[in-house]
Amino acid sequence: DAKTTQPNSMESNEEEPVHLPCNHSTISGTDYIHWYRQLPSQGPEYVIHGLTSNVNNRMASLAIAEDRKSSTLILHRATLRDAAVYYCILRDMNTNAGKSTFGDGTTLTVKP
Amino acid sequence: EPEVTQTPSHQVTQMGQEVILRCVPISNHLYFYWYRQILGQKVEFLVSFYNNEISEKSEIFDDQFSVERPDGSNFTLKIRSTKLEDSAMYFCASRLAGVYNEQFFGPGTRLTVL
Repeated sequence: DAKTTQPNSMESNEEEPVHLPCNHSTISGTDYIHWYRQLPSQGPEYVIHGLTSNVNNRMASLAIAEDRKSSTLILHRATLRDAAVYYCILRDMNTNAGKSTFGDGTTLTVKP
Repeated sequence: EPEVTQTPSHQVTQMGQEVILRCVPISNHLYFYWYRQILGQKVEFLVSFYNNEISEKSEIFDDQFSVERPDGSNFTLKIRSTKLEDSAMYFCASRLAGVYNEQFFGPGTRLTVL
């Protein structure tokens, strides 16, 4: 599996935007970029995914670099509920099983 | 909104005993997974299951582990002879066809092996 690199931790103030970076310099052309998060004492939760173009949904936006070697998850207005570990995961579209390989992720702390 | 459910929420067992962890995936999903997370560590992939057979498994998923989809709704993980190091949160997940589709995770079962 191609590897992703994320900062260990980030802090944000409530109601401010948060940009969570992810480097994936060895990404292949068939890798989708997925983001999940894990709130304390819960299972992972899907946030967003993309392939080449930027994506928006009700939770977040995903900005993908033109060369696809990095991406940024954007939370437009952080709330206390967004405090979680955020995982950037690559999933090969040619792999039928479609497992997720979790790294250490970024622990986001949101301050009131 | 449909969700993945898991039972029990917490299971305590003695070393060497067999345990079965149960999951009810979302009804129209086709791919099923088990992951585990030892306290304070990463979420680790155990096994994926599709069309009534294992499609991929990790090194962790040795002969002590087995999975089954005994009917149209349940998906189970059996550990035949539990070890202390099997103590972890076990998460079930499911998804639709299409590898780009997101996985929906259950709330987990906390397994404690004494």
